[in-house]
Amino acid sequence: DTGVSQDPRHKITKRGQNVTFRCDPISEHNRLYWYRQTLGQGPEFLTYFQNEAQLEKSRLLSDRFSAERPKGSFSTLEIQRTEQGDSAMYLCASRGTGGKETQYFGPGTRLLVL
Amino acid sequence: AQKVTQAQTEISVVEKEDVTLDCVYETRDTTYYLFWYKQPPSGELVFLIRRNSFDEQNEISGRYSWNFQKSTSSFNFTITASQVVDSAVYFCALSGMGGANSKLTFGKGITLSVRP
Repeated sequence: DTGVSQDPRHKITKRGQNVTFRCDPISEHNRLYWYRQTLGQGPEFLTYFQNEAQLEKSRLLSDRFSAERPKGSFSTLEIQRTEQGDSAMYLCASRGTGGKETQYFGPGTRLLVL
Repeated sequence: AQKVTQAQTEISVVEKEDVTLDCVYETRDTTYYLFWYKQPPSGELVFLIRRNSFDEQNEISGRYSWNFQKSTSSFNFTITASQVVDSAVYFCALSGMGGANSKLTFGKGITLSVRP
């Protein structure tokens, strides 16, 4: 299996701009998760998909954030009207079912909002 | 609510020393998973181990060993004969079982520096 991939790896944007990140999970993993990690902290859960259904969203996910997984494969996370407080590492993870409960993480997208 | 506490923030050891990373957790779930992940300077989270709450048997994998004690809600990680390549941030994490509870709750991480 190839691992989880994320694109881009780094993104610098100006405050107020929109950004979109992509995550490609391990093939045949039906569950996909987004987390955010700020400096010196552990990752914090943002949202979770099972196939194409978004089953849970954290309160951290404000109205400016939206995530999709249209065909149950790759996922996108969009941030509208970025703020400096959105600067963080955005991590994607995927996992399978039936005894395969471990989440495997991608390399992350590091966002800097100027 | 779930909570993971990693009270140690930074640990520095000399190569070949043994080091133990502490993890204490809180959960109301009767069944759950515990994890350790390693985050090297490159930033990617690398999975190390997963334990089920109903399996308290300790585990050893090479220089790594894990001590799970349900009575004290602890899941500690020991590196024997540490090496410079072990330098990283180590995260302990907790999740429930079942889809709705499967999100990970992480501690704040422990930065381990192994000096030659």
